[in-house]
Amino acid sequence: ILNVEQSPQSLHVQEGDSTNFTCSFPSSNFYALHWYRWETAKSPEALFVMTLNGDEKKKGRISATLNTKEGYSYLYIKGSQPEDSATYLCASITGGGNKLTFGTGTQLKVEL
Amino acid sequence: EPEVTQTPSHQVTQMGQEVILRCVPISNHLYFYWYRQILGQKVEFLVSFYNNEISEKSEIFDDQFSVERPDGSNFTLKIRSTKLEDSAMYFCASIIGTGTIGNTIYFGEGSWLTVV
Repeated sequence: ILNVEQSPQSLHVQEGDSTNFTCSFPSSNFYALHWYRWETAKSPEALFVMTLNGDEKKKGRISATLNTKEGYSYLYIKGSQPEDSATYLCASITGGGNKLTFGTGTQLKVEL
Repeated sequence: EPEVTQTPSHQVTQMGQEVILRCVPISNHLYFYWYRQILGQKVEFLVSFYNNEISEKSEIFDDQFSVERPDGSNFTLKIRSTKLEDSAMYFCASIIGTGTIGNTIYFGEGSWLTVV
């Protein structure tokens, strides 16, 4: 994998459903993986910064896992609420640099 | 919670005009970035800045672009002669230290630039 890719591109779920998205990134020279939640007209909100293989992080109903050997991360939302509707971006840092390389994002819509 | 602020939120400019986008990073942060997102595309890195000089820049960041920290609080992005393809949302970001490993990078709300 050369680029950061996210799937699915968009997702519609019902309130109360649990959901998950995938972020794939280059596994060689991996440094860190960042997850952001981005609502229109607001700044991207940092959710997690993950660096170690096997890392699992949690913030309320949202959690994330990291597999640096195979180059993927999952973001989970338990019991989705309408306020979870946003675009979820992942971005990786590789090669000792300090810049984020972003995926295209997963657009989540939670319906009542 | 401290935040990165950007002005203007939206600017419309004529092709060929100069534009300056302004950012106030979080006060104790030392490392700054500009990113942009062209509509429908990925957020992409433009430049990083530390200790009053460019740390890294992308291929996009050509001679038309420049950055400056004029007064110790503001961080600006200047586009000298705008082109239609410069139309995008420009994000400023900052981080507390020189190393990004494990540290959160904070983003502003973005400045939407439309070149006509």
